[in-house]
Amino acid sequence: QQQVKQSPQSLIVQKGGISIINCAYENTAFDYFPWYQQFPGKGPALLIAIRPDVSEKKEGRFTISFNKSAKQFSLHIMDSQPGDSATYFCAASMVGSFNKFYFGSGTKLNVKP
Amino acid sequence: NAGVTQTPKFQVLKTGQSMTLQCAQDMNHEYMSWYRQDPGMGLRLIHYSVGAGITDQGEVPNGYNVSRSTTEDFPLRLLSAAPSQTSVYFCASSLRGGGGTGELFFGEGSRLTVL
Repeated sequence: QQQVKQSPQSLIVQKGGISIINCAYENTAFDYFPWYQQFPGKGPALLIAIRPDVSEKKEGRFTISFNKSAKQFSLHIMDSQPGDSATYFCAASMVGSFNKFYFGSGTKLNVKP
Repeated sequence: NAGVTQTPKFQVLKTGQSMTLQCAQDMNHEYMSWYRQDPGMGLRLIHYSVGAGITDQGEVPNGYNVSRSTTEDFPLRLLSAAPSQTSVYFCASSLRGGGGTGELFFGEGSRLTVL
């Protein structure tokens, strides 16, 4: 059973639009929620992360929204660009887990010019 | 900066053969891990290590062995390859949890096909 569920599986957005990817989790012991970005032929790289003591974190065009009561979090990419086309993974980990992460199934984003 | 280096990048095996995927990092990270990436499944943790001489199992450890004799190296051994092990394998490292950011640094992956 997947600990972190991610949707949608794929997403097509026009240049300048907003891309939204959603994740949900069950284990309330999770306390760190990162998003990783992966380009073809490369390993994932950390994009942005949040802890559950805040409801939102913004870095440039990328924002994480976190809803602790609903056990959901989402990534918003504002003013999406073709260079944002990649696969995005949400993940979760917990205190004392020595950085063991549970990843979502991934969302392939295609931003059309 | 080399970061995390994986070899080989591509490998084709026959069922029953054994092989070792190599992983080395030059960031003096204590924590190292192996993930496999399969379509629709995301990344799943195979084995991890919190320091030299210490390893433990992740979500999908069956059919794989690891050891950690040095801080820098963390090889993954397939004992008797099966078609179900066809996947892309990623090695990752990070500072130990707790005071660290929790950021995983990934290698570029090793694509394995088992016939």
